[in-house]
Amino acid sequence: DARVTQTPRHKVTEMGQEVTMRCQPILGHNTVFWYRQTMMQGLELLAYFRNRAPLDDSGMPKDRFSAEMPDATLATLKIQPSEPRDSAVYFCASGPHWAGDYGYTFGSGTRLTVV
Amino acid sequence: SQQGEEDPQALSIQEGENATMNCSYKTSINNLQWYRQNSGRGLVHLILIRSNEREKHSGRLRVTLDTSKKSSSLLITASRAADTASYFCATDPKETSGSRLTFGEGTQLTVNP
Repeated sequence: DARVTQTPRHKVTEMGQEVTMRCQPILGHNTVFWYRQTMMQGLELLAYFRNRAPLDDSGMPKDRFSAEMPDATLATLKIQPSEPRDSAVYFCASGPHWAGDYGYTFGSGTRLTVV
Repeated sequence: SQQGEEDPQALSIQEGENATMNCSYKTSINNLQWYRQNSGRGLVHLILIRSNEREKHSGRLRVTLDTSKKSSSLLITASRAADTASYFCATDPKETSGSRLTFGEGTQLTVNP
């Protein structure tokens, strides 16, 4: 089965350090999402791309977060500098054009702990 | 803020029983989707229902949608211990230019053997 691959699976870092999370969407999928999941806030949409162009990143704190798709096989989410409140599980999801008809495929997530 | 709200927050049943989870949302939608999440894992897409559909089936899953009440329900029949997971509804709002899924807070389902 095709899958969305996220790396790393776990990351522990000190406050103030830069964190980069990577996502390899399923080949042929042109829509990519980044979500953050915490117990308090649930699943929050951070950003999403179509054909590598950012369509919406209004859910992302712009001062420290950035999301890019340098090519169709890689999406990145960067936090600089990281803070303890960024501790969460970050999910990437991808889907084909008009995946709204079929649903999206999620990766296994990156569990980030900022100490 | 979350678009969808699931009810109940937690549900515990015996194997073989049916489980019903409800979802309410606020704005007009293109479609509504249900996802499952096992502990420590990513979300898995279960079923999608379009705004012009009222009911949909997939195996032991049955989803209904009432756009006049802005609500949906997910029924799992003949539940199994392996169905233990969190279930989320997600809406694709009409006002956005693309598919921009917004998730509810989820229902934690426990199926006891």
